[in-house]
Amino acid sequence: AQSVTQPDIHITVSEGASLELRCNYSYGATPYLFWYVQSPGQGLQLLLKYFSGDTLVQGIKGFEAEFKRSQSSFNLRKPSVHWSDAAEYFCAVGARNAGNMLTFGGGTRLMVKP
Amino acid sequence: DGGITQSPKYLFRKEGQNVTLSCEQNLNHDAMYWYRQDPGQGLRLIYYSQIVNDFQKGDIAEGYSVSREKKESFPLTVTSAQKNPTAFYLCASSIAPSSGNTIYFGEGSWLTVV
Repeated sequence: AQSVTQPDIHITVSEGASLELRCNYSYGATPYLFWYVQSPGQGLQLLLKYFSGDTLVQGIKGFEAEFKRSQSSFNLRKPSVHWSDAAEYFCAVGARNAGNMLTFGGGTRLMVKP
Repeated sequence: DGGITQSPKYLFRKEGQNVTLSCEQNLNHDAMYWYRQDPGQGLRLIYYSQIVNDFQKGDIAEGYSVSREKKESFPLTVTSAQKNPTAFYLCASSIAPSSGNTIYFGEGSWLTVV
């Protein structure tokens, strides 16, 4: 079975600074990988996803993520954070050829300082 | 607008009561899912349905029940057997049940036991 670890529960960055949120997964083959964002008390919105091909994936709101097979990682990055990016971010992994159930990490709460 | 509608947004349940959370989607998606979210634990899959009149247990199905009589509807009943039902519940759907399809989420329902 697959699993996902987001090592950082909370991260605080200054507005305009760069951001990297870490995600490590465990899966025996190449998985499907997703990043979602959740504002307080709301549902989840998909930021980006990796299926195959180019390991650098571009998403919405200026986010990108890089799949590194050797490190079993799929870290999310943004070059310049805006106050509106404050939210909780979830990494998720899906197994290939096993239905469409996702396994989620515990989430990273991002706070942005003015 | 196409989307996933969950109701009610807030629900209070007395000990020993069953309650039902509604989930309706007008996206014409085949697959639907219910997740439970607890602080710091990410999302856990309760039940999923790949097609009308069929559903399967997820990781934490005990104390919950579902039905899928119509393609657009996937209600979740939290029974009195669920020992710790206070949580945020998220309904989701995807166009097909095959792995890799994007999963879209509703806005969630808060359930509190009083």
